[in-house]
Amino acid sequence: SAVISQKPSRDICQRGTSLTIQCQVDSQVTMMFWYRQQPGQSLTLIATANQGSEATYESGFVIDKFPISRPNLTFSTLTVSNMSPEDSSIYLCSVDSSYGYTFGSGTRLTVV
Amino acid sequence: QQQVKQSPQSLIVQKGGISIINCAYENTAFDYFPWYQQFPGKGPALLIAIRPDVSEKKEGRFTISFNKSAKQFSLHIMDSQPGDSATYFCAASIGGAQKLVFGQGTRLTINP
Repeated sequence: SAVISQKPSRDICQRGTSLTIQCQVDSQVTMMFWYRQQPGQSLTLIATANQGSEATYESGFVIDKFPISRPNLTFSTLTVSNMSPEDSSIYLCSVDSSYGYTFGSGTRLTVV
Repeated sequence: QQQVKQSPQSLIVQKGGISIINCAYENTAFDYFPWYQQFPGKGPALLIAIRPDVSEKKEGRFTISFNKSAKQFSLHIMDSQPGDSATYFCAASIGGAQKLVFGQGTRLTINP
């Protein structure tokens, strides 16, 4: 299965600032997915990122708040902008590999 | 229509027992049903998955039972071990390389 590296693994940020999360995959993939997992909760899809096109956002998520880049077939970034304590969550990237959907270890974000 | 409902929310099983987690869905277009296992501080890891053309799939101690007419599927963990203690998520998707819709999660505790 694909191996995903996510950076940073965790961060504590001040409200009003932005954090960019990186996702690197060890193989080329067409689609990359960004999920949010709030404390003790399930996973919710933020957006789907295709290389060479604008990301597709799910209801309740907007590009101004969660801008995504997808410069090539192995890399993507998610930025959490103008953070508030409500943004404290685990952010995960995922890809569909031949073994099924694979997830990174996630970025645990705490906003203070 | 896009929801996947999972139960129970938490489950305690004695070592050696059978753990059973259930999921139900409404959208008959779903055609891929994976189960994920998540340990604290880690991303979800694919455990086992099934497509609706079969009623059961077994991999080691893990079995998925699928009831297409009832729109339900379940995970059975035989001979449950303390190392199985984790949060389990069912999910569903439509087609290949499409977004996953997750259930609410079940926190499983196996008592030694």
